[in-house]
Amino acid sequence: GENVEQHPSTLSVQEGDSAVIKCTYSDSASNYFPWYKQELGKRPQLIIDIRSNVGEKKDQRIAVTLNKTAKHFSLHITETQPEDSAVYFCAASTSGTYKYIFGTGTRLKVLA
Amino acid sequence: DADVTQTPRNRITKTGKRIMLECSQTKGHDRMYWYRQDPGLGLRLIYYSFDVKDINKGEISDGYSVSRQAQAKFSLSLESAIPNQTALYFCATSGEGAVDTQYFGPGTRLTVL
Repeated sequence: GENVEQHPSTLSVQEGDSAVIKCTYSDSASNYFPWYKQELGKRPQLIIDIRSNVGEKKDQRIAVTLNKTAKHFSLHITETQPEDSAVYFCAASTSGTYKYIFGTGTRLKVLA
Repeated sequence: DADVTQTPRNRITKTGKRIMLECSQTKGHDRMYWYRQDPGLGLRLIYYSFDVKDINKGEISDGYSVSRQAQAKFSLSLESAIPNQTALYFCATSGEGAVDTQYFGPGTRLTVL
């Protein structure tokens, strides 16, 4: 069935360094890829998304890249700050299904 | 995001009990979803509904049922709770369009003893 693999499961970086989280999807028809951030005890919230007609999207310190040929996409966080510490989830969706398949999450710790 | 609310926020129950989790939204969205979150397993879809007459099973629907009472309300029931249903449950909604953002409720932490 459809699957999204996410790596790494945990990631520790020093404050100011960059963090990269990678996801691979199985359904070649997937065309929408959101990223959610979940702080401790809170709900997941969308931080950035990308559609299959673009290869990269940036929003201040965060960016997402998409490689449709390889069926993988990545979240890049630059100049990390302690408030970036959270669990990050990737997801994939196909137009018309209105369903997401989520990755298993990455716990990011930014060390001060 | 107070537009999607869930009740109760925390619940402890015993094996075999029936329990209902409720979700309400003021976003005017047609599509609503129930997810379960377990450590290391991410968010898994239990049921979803595209309108009040449309209910669909997700990847882990066994042991659960749902009711879409109105456009704004979507309830999840555990007919006979078991300990491995202990988890964090999230409701989500999404609006019009071919692909669109899902907005999550605050979650319900359920413990089955």
